Amino acid sequence: QKEVEQDPGPLSVPEGAIVSLNCTYSNSAFQYFMWYRQYSRKGPELLMYTYSSGNKEDGRFTAQVDKSSKYISLFIRDSQPSDSATYLCAMSRSEVIFGTGTRLQVFP
Amino acid sequence: SAVISQKPSRDICQRGTSLTIQCQVDSQVTMMFWYRQQPGQSLTLIATANQGSEATYESGFVIDKFPISRPNLTFSTLTVSNMSPEDSSIYLCSVLDGDGYTFGSGTRLTVV
Repeated sequence: QKEVEQDPGPLSVPEGAIVSLNCTYSNSAFQYFMWYRQYSRKGPELLMYTYSSGNKEDGRFTAQVDKSSKYISLFIRDSQPSDSATYLCAMSRSEVIFGTGTRLQVFP
Repeated sequence: SAVISQKPSRDICQRGTSLTIQCQVDSQVTMMFWYRQQPGQSLTLIATANQGSEATYESGFVIDKFPISRPNLTFSTLTVSNMSPEDSSIYLCSVLDGDGYTFGSGTRLTVV
């Protein structure tokens, strides 16, 4: 079993939709949770990070962590074509472990 | 957050040759990391490069294949040696700063 599991997609949604991206993990020692966005031919870009269970909001993005279920989510409200990218979850204790990424396409 | 300049952005190389990838950071950082990103797979850490000491390699990666230099706190290189088609991948450098892990734009390597 992989330490971090992420559905690779692709996920295709219409503009304006609410998008839910998810990751599960197996190691309860993870303390720091991140979401990265990666556009084609670019490096990953940090979107959000959180230390604790609960929700963290930043504009149209909400990161949710449920440590009891070992489950994290990224919600995108009012999705835009410019949100089309691959989204990677990541989590760390002493080192950082990445998910495989979910490819998202938002069509007009 | 730190700004990383990585080059080359892409290259096509003959098998058996070597390619050196460079990363320049706009601020001094203690630790720099080199990752490989293969299609459909998660980012895999190759090694951690600290200034003034030898790089620390992850399981499955060896110094003879991926020599790393870290001459100062703002610069590092990764060499992919004696390349084979299996080395075709995206290679990324990364630093840990106050905003978490920041990545370069990556080097897309194709070995033919």
